[in-house]
Amino acid sequence: DAKTTQPNSMESNEEEPVHLPCNHSTISGTDYIHWYRQLPSQGPEYVIHGLTSNVNNRMASLAIAEDRKSSTLILHRATLRDAAVYYCILRDLDSSYKLIFGSGTRLLVRP
Amino acid sequence: GAVVSQHPSRVICKSGTSVKIECRSLDFQATTMFWYRQFPKQSLMLMATSNEGSKATYEQGVEKDKFLINHASLTLSTLTVTSAHPEDSSFYICSARTYPNYGYTFGSGTRLTVV
Repeated sequence: DAKTTQPNSMESNEEEPVHLPCNHSTISGTDYIHWYRQLPSQGPEYVIHGLTSNVNNRMASLAIAEDRKSSTLILHRATLRDAAVYYCILRDLDSSYKLIFGSGTRLLVRP
Repeated sequence: GAVVSQHPSRVICKSGTSVKIECRSLDFQATTMFWYRQFPKQSLMLMATSNEGSKATYEQGVEKDKFLINHASLTLSTLTVTSAHPEDSSFYICSARTYPNYGYTFGSGTRLTVV
């Protein structure tokens, strides 16, 4: 599985935008970029995913670099509830659909 | 949206006993489920992949005789931790694919404490 690199932690102020980066320089053409987040003592929660084009949903936006070697998860207005560990994961279409988690980014949101 | 119901949420058992954790997919059929383990302050580690009606596929280093996985129906997968020991204390989480290439839904997790 191709690997991702994320900062260990980031901080944000409440109601400000947050940009969470992810590097995946060894990404292949069939790898989807998935983002999940995990609140304390809960299972992970789907945030967004994409292949080549930028994606938007009610939770966040995903900006994918033109060469696909990096991506950024954008939370438009952080709330205290967004404090979580965010995982950027590459999933290969040709694999057995496994999601392999890296270490993720712990997002702290200051009130 | 798709929901995976995981039970129990917490369990304490004595060393040497077995514990069963259930994951049910509500309002969708899960042909494939994944089981993860997470130790404090660490990331999720994939333990095994279970496919309905067939044997589970275990990741390297995971003892298949200790962590028994059964996926007898399209809506139910179970993980049984046999002869549990304190080092098996962890947060166990299941996951299912909702549709092809879309997303994955996770259970709420089971915190197992072996005393």
